[in-house]
Amino acid sequence: DGGITQSPKYLFRKEGQNVTLSCEQNLNHDAMYWYRQDPGQGLRLIYYSQIVNDFQKGDIAEGYSVSREKKESFPLTVTSAQKNPTAFYLCASSSGRAKNIQYFGAGTRLSVL
Amino acid sequence: AQTVTQSQPEMSVQEAETVTLSCTYDTSESDYYLFWYKQPPSRQMILVIRQEAYKQQNATENRFSVNFQKAAKSFSLKISDSQLGDAAMYFCACMKTSYDKVIFGPGTSLSVIP
Repeated sequence: DGGITQSPKYLFRKEGQNVTLSCEQNLNHDAMYWYRQDPGQGLRLIYYSQIVNDFQKGDIAEGYSVSREKKESFPLTVTSAQKNPTAFYLCASSSGRAKNIQYFGAGTRLSVL
Repeated sequence: AQTVTQSQPEMSVQEAETVTLSCTYDTSESDYYLFWYKQPPSRQMILVIRQEAYKQQNATENRFSVNFQKAAKSFSLKISDSQLGDAAMYFCACMKTSYDKVIFGPGTSLSVIP
């Protein structure tokens, strides 16, 4: 089945620790996105990538880093510089061939210990 | 900069009735894409309906339809014959061009009353 897989579903971070959220897609989509969703709020864009080996900052990139070494993968690292990381993180992908519809993963809930 | 506004944080509708969710957006582009996404309690985001700005005809998908007013930059979603499964957060979104970033509105929480 084609889709987007995010792992883990739940993640806990200790003070001063970097953690990495995984996002893999087998839809052959060119573009991939990371969003942060706080309780009762909308989606805020962290980073996005339109092509392999290239990515752009979104509206709230500080304290986060990404890589796009493969078309299928777009991992997000939440660094210790992100002082308020507790949130729900959503990964998405899209393609012009797929009418630019965003396909989302099931999300990762990150909490701070 | 593009912005998307949803002025109704919460809405409710009686089962089998019709409800309209509002969305306005601001963009300087002449061609763009508009979307409504649904996020049920499971938090899995799924597309409800899509509209291309160059098309004058309003998009429809079964019980879901939009009222697209390009000059007014308005993109409302109408849900007919509301069902309990329609209860969710609904997000309006705007995308400038292919592969570009998507701007989401703050969302409208829809409750369906049995």
